[in-house]
Amino acid sequence: DTAVSQTPKYLVTQMGNDKSIKCEQNLGHDTMYWYKQDSKKFLKIMFSYNNKELIINETVPNRFSPKSPDKAHLNLHINSLELGDSAVYFCASSQSSSSYNEQFFGPGTRLTVL
Amino acid sequence: AQSVAQPEDQVNVAEGNPLTVKCTYSVSGNPYLFWYVQYPNRGLQFLLKYITGDNLVKGSYGFEAEFNKSQTSFHLKKPSALVSDSALYFCAVRPSRGGYNKLIFGAGTRLAVHP
Repeated sequence: DTAVSQTPKYLVTQMGNDKSIKCEQNLGHDTMYWYKQDSKKFLKIMFSYNNKELIINETVPNRFSPKSPDKAHLNLHINSLELGDSAVYFCASSQSSSSYNEQFFGPGTRLTVL
Repeated sequence: AQSVAQPEDQVNVAEGNPLTVKCTYSVSGNPYLFWYVQYPNRGLQFLLKYITGDNLVKGSYGFEAEFNKSQTSFHLKKPSALVSDSALYFCAVRPSRGGYNKLIFGAGTRLAVHP
């Protein structure tokens, strides 16, 4: 069984479009995250939710809006896509927001903006 | 500022030889340290972590890491490398106090194990 799943795996779209990426975890974790991995493989956190409450909100354009309908789901909506948004987006989860918990990552969504 | 440095972009090792992937960190207070591995076109997988206690931490797939507070390092090691260990390795850190589980990742080191 997949612990952290993301859909879609690949997303190719035109500049200016709006798109969403979905994430689900079946681990019973309280905390979920979105990361962006750029073309040089650098990984940076974007958002984190704990029990549906936003707890980490990094310096991310407000075109990016996370939504957590319940603690097992954290979706990422992106408005007015730009070329620079092309990256691999990873969802992750951890048992709680405590700092010693390891995070479990999804397989990633490769977003290509043309 | 909190940061993680992985000084080597790539490490090349012959199969059967020991391997070391280096990591140094800068964080206020005591650190919590993690190693993750990323295989091609996959998400990151947790390998091991240092929270407190014994400086030598053992993890998955025969990997271990040694926490050295005076040198602010947390190098990843394995006594005998396998070709299947070839992947991208990330060191991550966060302070034990303050904020939430916000991990700061290094830039990654690509490990290439040759037959």
